[in-house]
Amino acid sequence: DAKTTQPPSMDCAEGRAANLPCNHSTISGNEYVYWYRQIHSQGPQYIIHGLKNNETNEMASLIITEDRKSSTLILPHATLRDTAVYYCIVRVAILNTGGFKTIFGAGTRLFVKA
Amino acid sequence: DARVTQTPRHKVTEMGQEVTMRCQPILGHNTVFWYRQTMMQGLELLAYFRNRAPLDDSGMPKDRFSAEMPDATLATLKIQPSEPRDSAVYFCASGYRGNTEAFFGQGTRLTVV
Repeated sequence: DAKTTQPPSMDCAEGRAANLPCNHSTISGNEYVYWYRQIHSQGPQYIIHGLKNNETNEMASLIITEDRKSSTLILPHATLRDTAVYYCIVRVAILNTGGFKTIFGAGTRLFVKA
Repeated sequence: DARVTQTPRHKVTEMGQEVTMRCQPILGHNTVFWYRQTMMQGLELLAYFRNRAPLDDSGMPKDRFSAEMPDATLATLKIQPSEPRDSAVYFCASGYRGNTEAFFGQGTRLTVV
């Protein structure tokens, strides 16, 4: 039931920017886009989230298109330690509860190469 | 350094045995999630608690799985009886209602032989 689509894998040279795309064409007006990553054998780690404005933090930048149907996560200077699976997520509302659940898709496996 | 703590980190058990996995959410967090990860299915949401009450457990097999929060500092996931197909890594995560990020534990790697 994931509401996003991502390429299965990508390569990036160490030191270069990694741009990870995500399509979320069915996103609703009040739904946020979240990004997590999972490094081998570890639990997923939150990276960033956004609604409609571009966002930046110490880990990454998030660019959301004006129509909000797609977004791009940017790692400005990828390192070997950024090799991981990156998940783009739009939360799914739980009916009659006011709550939301985070459904993970297959993600993009990013390989950062020396 | 606040973190979600899961125990045990690894568990090997025989088919038919009961398995209990424990999670200590970050102090003050009021939402707890249980996920299961396998190579074939990826990360699957099993259960979601808010203020210790189950909000959604539609992803959890009801015949053998049960999830509870006896108090705000402990969440448990129990499998009885366990089967080889339950072999997976089980993750617990916690967060605030209305907050945006969930903090994941390191997981419990379960092997049922």
